[in-house]
Parts: sequence; C-alpha cells; structure tokens
Amino acid sequence: DGGITQSPKYLFRKEGQNVTLSCEQNLNHDAMYWYRQDPGQGLRLIYYSQIVNDFQKGDIAEGYSVSREKKESFPLTVTSAQKNPTAFYLCASRGGGGPYEQFFGPGTRLTVL
Amino acid sequence: RKEVEQDPGPFNVPEGATVAFNCTYSNSASQSFFWYRQDCRKEPKLLMSVYSSGNEDGRFTAQLNRASQYISLLIRDSKLSDSATYLCVVENSGYSTLTFGKGTMLLVSP
Repeated sequence: DGGITQSPKYLFRKEGQNVTLSCEQNLNHDAMYWYRQDPGQGLRLIYYSQIVNDFQKGDIAEGYSVSREKKESFPLTVTSAQKNPTAFYLCASRGGGGPYEQFFGPGTRLTVL
Repeated sequence: RKEVEQDPGPFNVPEGATVAFNCTYSNSASQSFFWYRQDCRKEPKLLMSVYSSGNEDGRFTAQLNRASQYISLLIRDSKLSDSATYLCVVENSGYSTLTFGKGTMLLVSP
C-alpha cells in the first residue's frame, strides 16, 4: 500500500534533548511538509521541501531542523532551542502538478517531560 | 500574512440535520481550495477539493465565491459518523504551500 508513515507514534523527551521524528513516503511525491498542531489550533508549517537536497523554512522554523537526502524521507529534528516542543507533529506530501492537496501521515505526539 | 478564518463552533446537530460551514480567506491570488476532515487525535484527511463552479460529492456540497473570498461546505442528512473537525484549506499562490483554518468541530447526536 502506498502511503506516508511516521514514527514513533508517541515520543517523550526530557528538556534539553534533541529528538528526531521520522517521515517516510512511498508515493513518489516530490514535495514534503512538516506541520505542528497545538490543541484548538490550526496546523502551522514548520519546514517544507519541494525537491531532494532543498528545503525552505515555514512559519515557525525556529528550534527545528530538517534534511532531505532522499526523495522518500524527510526527518524533522526538534532541538533544545525549541521552547515549547510539546505538540502533535504531522508530515505530509504532495505530488507534482496541481491541484495542491496534501496527504498526511498519522502523526507523532511529542511530550516534553 | 495570509489568513483563513472559520466559524469557531462547535456545531451540535441531530442526526439528519443539514449543517453549513463557512470560511473566508485573505489571499485573493489563491487558486486551489480544499476541505479536510480531522477526527480526534488523528491526521487530517482530504474531504473534497473546491472548484469554481461548486461541486458535490454525495451528501457534501462545496461552494466557492471568489469575489467575496468565501468558501462553504454543506452537509446534508448528517450522520453520527460525520462528527469531526472540518478544516478549510487554501493554497498559497506561488509557494506550493497551504494555509489551514483552525477548524470547526461538528458533533452529530442521535
């Protein structure tokens, strides 16, 4: 089955630690995205990548980093510089051409202890 | 900043009711519009794209008014399974990114 996978589903982190969230897709999509969702809030864009070895900052990139070494993979690192990292993190991808709908993975819930 | 505004909700309706969600957007250059559905603690899933002429998919009808920068979603004959949060989503022209509204929660009761 084609789709987007994220791991782990739940992640607990101590303050001051960096953690990396995994996102993999086998849809052959060029573009990939990372969002953060807080309770009662909309999705906010952290980073996105339209092609391998290239990525752009979204609206809330501070405290996060990404890489795009393979088309299938777009890992997100939440660094200790991120002041409020507890949130639901969603990865998405989009194929080439229009329209621009994105397809989401199941998400990772990160909790800082 | 490009914004997407939705009714805050929640909307509480009985089974069989018709319910309408409204959404306004600020980016007049946007060309693509969507409604996503998000169940509690799950990822958003595409419900339907919104086309200029309006479009229908079973009990769901989406309308777009470009002049007023307004999008709507109508759900007829509500089912218990329609209970979810509905997200209005607008493409950011030229950036291949999307802006999401905060969503409107729908609760359908027996």
